[in-house]
Amino acid sequence: KQEVTQIPAALSVPEGENLVLNCSFTDSAIYNLQWFRQDPGKGLTSLLLIQSSQREQTSGRLNASLDKSSGRSTLYIAASQPGDSATYLCAVVVNAGNMLTFGGGTRLMVKP
Amino acid sequence: DAGITQSPRHKVTETGTPVTLRCHQTENHRYMYWYRQDPGHGLRLIHYSYGVKDTDKGEVSDGYSVSRSKTEDFLLTLESATSSQTSVYFCAIMTGAGLGYTFGSGTRLTVV
Repeated sequence: KQEVTQIPAALSVPEGENLVLNCSFTDSAIYNLQWFRQDPGKGLTSLLLIQSSQREQTSGRLNASLDKSSGRSTLYIAASQPGDSATYLCAVVVNAGNMLTFGGGTRLMVKP
Repeated sequence: DAGITQSPRHKVTETGTPVTLRCHQTENHRYMYWYRQDPGHGLRLIHYSYGVKDTDKGEVSDGYSVSRSKTEDFLLTLESATSSQTSVYFCAIMTGAGLGYTFGSGTRLTVV
């Protein structure tokens, strides 16, 4: 059974810092990996989608990398802002039914 | 962006009553999913559908049933609601573009 783990569970940083969120998965046979953002009481917003054949994806200040062989992905946020405060979730697509398996999330607080 | 709406957004119901949640998409995506999100458990798959009248169980399907009579609608039914089904329910669609996912805004269900 695929298991996804996110470390740290919570993170508090001052504004302007560059930071890295980590995601690990136990089975390297994935189709893709997706990073989401969730604000309190809201739904999930897709940030980045990395196909299994890709090594990284970038969108603005966000960069996500994927190392399938080691079962790891990182989300890099450059020059963090208070508006980046949210919970960040990673999820992998597994084979049966193309369903997502989620990590527990990292709750990020960026202080002004 | 794929249009996906959930209804109702909030519901309070009594133990033992039936409850139906609706997920509606404005495009013809084949795959639709129901997840529940709970503190300490993250997001877990309840049921999914891979076409009209084609559904399958997920990780936490006990106490839930689903139906998909039209491509655009995926219904989740709690036949006899219990307090353990108090949760936030999210519908998702697989948009097909690299197997990316889009989530609805969620339904907050409270069973009293």
